[in-house]
Amino acid sequence: GENVGLHLPTLSVQEGDNSIINCAYSNSASDYFIWYKQESGKGPQFIIDIRSNMDKRQGQRVTVLLNKTVKHLSLQIAATQPGDSAVYFCAENRYTGNQFYFGTGTSLTVIP
Amino acid sequence: NAGVTQTPKFQVLKTGQSMTLQCAQDMNHNSMYWYRQDPGMGLRLIYYSASEGTTDKGEVPNGYNVSRLNKREFSLRLESAAPSQTSVYFCAISGGRSYEQYFGPGTRLTVT
Repeated sequence: GENVGLHLPTLSVQEGDNSIINCAYSNSASDYFIWYKQESGKGPQFIIDIRSNMDKRQGQRVTVLLNKTVKHLSLQIAATQPGDSAVYFCAENRYTGNQFYFGTGTSLTVIP
Repeated sequence: NAGVTQTPKFQVLKTGQSMTLQCAQDMNHNSMYWYRQDPGMGLRLIYYSASEGTTDKGEVPNGYNVSRLNKREFSLRLESAAPSQTSVYFCAISGGRSYEQYFGPGTRLTVT
């Protein structure tokens, strides 16, 4: 399953399928991006990050892709599991230092 | 959420009342942040503190004040609460070589 930007803030996938969550960022000068997972009633948790000098980075079952030409970021989750159900946020570091700007999030629901 | 604690977990205020949200960390990180999260939206930065003794405004600072009491503690104060400040407030910390932020469990504030 795949969502596209802010027009589809929810995504439902079958257990075992791959998920793709997309994020458009605003500032071409942003040099660092993070994906967070937020489960209901909890604070966000770090998933994976990527610097602007990279196009792709892989973690355990997750891959982040960065397309600087169109200012687009995606998170791919392989073999989605029920425990992956959560809201996923991308965050961009627009300026040097500590300020991050978060997207509105995508709600992922995994159907058993 | 290990390492970042927030008090209280829930709070109901009447318009015009004041209160202080507390955040404490035991990870010895330099930077601390306060965010608010409104329904269906991402996190928005209120204030942050890059190190003990310094504070800076974020994206939505109006109506709030902060104090970085020491390296461990960063408090957020609402001097005269308004219904528009009804939100979930998250404290976060970061440090070391990564900009990864660790979030607390949040404080759910309702202003009537």
